[in-house]
Amino acid sequence: KAGVTQTPRYLIKTRGQQVTLSCSPISGHRSVSWYQQTPGQGLQFLFEYFSETQRNKGNFPGRFSGRQFSNSRSEMNVSTLELGDSALYLCASSLGSSQGLETQYFGPGTRLLVL
Amino acid sequence: EDQVTQSPEALRLQEGESSSLNCSYTVSGLRGLFWYRQDPGKGPEFLFTLYSAGEEKEKERLKATLTKKESFLHITAPKPEDSATYLCAGTSGGTYKYIFGTGTRLKVLA
Repeated sequence: KAGVTQTPRYLIKTRGQQVTLSCSPISGHRSVSWYQQTPGQGLQFLFEYFSETQRNKGNFPGRFSGRQFSNSRSEMNVSTLELGDSALYLCASSLGSSQGLETQYFGPGTRLLVL
Repeated sequence: EDQVTQSPEALRLQEGESSSLNCSYTVSGLRGLFWYRQDPGKGPEFLFTLYSAGEEKEKERLKATLTKKESFLHITAPKPEDSATYLCAGTSGGTYKYIFGTGTRLKVLA
């Protein structure tokens, strides 16, 4: 079974621009979660989508948004990029039927550098 | 506030020198405790899930245990290929969020 895939793998943007990241979950998984990973803060939860609806949200500003499509693929958008948004953005998928009990499987991440 | 704390931050071991990594948690109504391994530039790779105090799981040189306040990842006779960052995460019964610790960077020297 194919794993979680994320595109693109690397991105370089400048301050003020916006960016869209994509995630394709494992086949049959309906929950997709997004995390930001930085050396100082570790993995910080952004949001979770299940059946095209945002089910859970972390403490990030409104510049960070996401959506999920009917095939469970998900996109994350960051508008008005700031230098502090430079990070590894990870997507994780799970079945979605048992919240908090399921294993999340991670993709390889998208490395975003904001100049 | 729900929190997961890992110690030590970094650990250097000689090949064959067994040790334990600690993950302490203050998560309301813990539903699950998850261990992951992360290699540089890659996404976390799932290792174990523990659901109740007293539970233990093993895989090759790794063994994870869970008490009411913390979890341990025991590494027996480690090899250089065990070098990685080990992450633990707890899920809250109230919010269902996965709360990650900042990880332990393990380096095993040949």
